[in-house]
Amino acid sequence: AQTVTQSQPEMSVQEAETVTLSCTYDTSESDYYLFWYKQPPSRQMILVIRQEAYKQQNATENRFSVNFQKAAKSFSLKISDSQLGDAAMYFCAYRSAGNTDKLIFGTGTRLQVFP
Amino acid sequence: KAGVTQTPRYLIKTRGQQVTLSCSPISGHRSVSWYQQTPGQGLQFLFEYFSETQRNKGNFPGRFSGRQFSNSRSEMNVSTLELGDSALYLCASSLVAGSTYEQYFGPGTRLTVT
Repeated sequence: AQTVTQSQPEMSVQEAETVTLSCTYDTSESDYYLFWYKQPPSRQMILVIRQEAYKQQNATENRFSVNFQKAAKSFSLKISDSQLGDAAMYFCAYRSAGNTDKLIFGTGTRLQVFP
Repeated sequence: KAGVTQTPRYLIKTRGQQVTLSCSPISGHRSVSWYQQTPGQGLQFLFEYFSETQRNKGNFPGRFSGRQFSNSRSEMNVSTLELGDSALYLCASSLVAGSTYEQYFGPGTRLTVT
């Protein structure tokens, strides 16, 4: 069975600074997808960034980028130029390749952004 | 385009009762997944449906059931409610299950069991 671990329950960052959220996962599969989701206080889950395991290049979406280390089974999220609106719970998630949308989530990291 | 809608948004039930939650996916989306979110257990997968067929089921007791209609709308039902069923129930939809298309989440239904 696949598992996702987020070892940082809480993180904080100063506005305009950079912060990195950690995520490790365990799987015996070779093909899969990894995601970072953001859940603000409004509770609506929003996709931040996605990484396909077969791609060596790290995904980037504006101020958000990942460091994907397949051999180490590590998938960290870097937020550059942090903004107050980035404050939220961040969940790392795993999805097997194939005909499924089933996501396996980590326990989440609460990010606080200070002005 | 309207997003994923879930009704009701808030619900209070008594132990032993049953409840039905509804999820309307984005127009054209055929895959719907359900998740339970609690402070203690986090986000846990309940089930997923594609074209009215249940494709996957999470590790939940038989009191939790679901279905999907021909218009892709989905319902989940919890019978004989227990206090531990208090949670935020999220549904997500995508065009096709297992594709590279993004899953979109609804705002959730907050269920409180007293």
